[in-house]
Amino acid sequence: AQSVTQLDSHVSVSEGTPVLLRCNYSSSYSPSLFWYVQHPNKGLQLLLKYTSAATLVKGINGFEAEFKKSETSFHLTKPSAHMSDAAEYFCVVSDSSNYQLIWGAGTKLIIKP
Amino acid sequence: KAGVTQTPRYLIKTRGQQVTLSCSPISGHRSVSWYQQTPGQGLQFLFEYFSETQRNKGNFPGRFSGRQFSNSRSEMNVSTLELGDSALYLCASSTELTGLNTEAFFGQGTRLTVV
Repeated sequence: AQSVTQLDSHVSVSEGTPVLLRCNYSSSYSPSLFWYVQHPNKGLQLLLKYTSAATLVKGINGFEAEFKKSETSFHLTKPSAHMSDAAEYFCVVSDSSNYQLIWGAGTKLIIKP
Repeated sequence: KAGVTQTPRYLIKTRGQQVTLSCSPISGHRSVSWYQQTPGQGLQFLFEYFSETQRNKGNFPGRFSGRQFSNSRSEMNVSTLELGDSALYLCASSTELTGLNTEAFFGQGTRLTVV
């Protein structure tokens, strides 16, 4: 069965410093992977997705993620954090055997001024 | 283009009552999924409907049910409410089944409080 683990429940960075949100997955198939973001009192929004094309995926708001099969990882990064990036981020794997999305527990990103 | 609309936004119900939540997907989207979000359990998948048929179901008791109409609008029903059902219920729509790698578009959710 497929699963996804977000390694940090909270990440705190200063504004202007790099962001790294970690995600590991397990999958019997070639997975499709997503990052979604949830801002306070707002719905979830897709940041980016990997579907077996380029391993480095660029998303909205300057975020990107790299698919590393050997490490079964799909970490989310951004070179310079902005206050507006404060939100909860979810790593998601698509289980093509039963057409379900498997969600990580989420990582709360806190931006210090 | 209008987004996913969930009504009502907030609900307070008493234990033992039942509740119906509504979701209007983006025009042209045929898939509607429902999720329960709580601080302790994160995002839990309830079920997914596509073209009026339930295609996937999560591990929730039979008190949780849903349906989808011919215009793709969906309703979710919870009967015999329990305190533990207090949560944010999110609806997502997409053009195809979400497991087929399509983007899911989420509504803002219905905040259900059971007292």
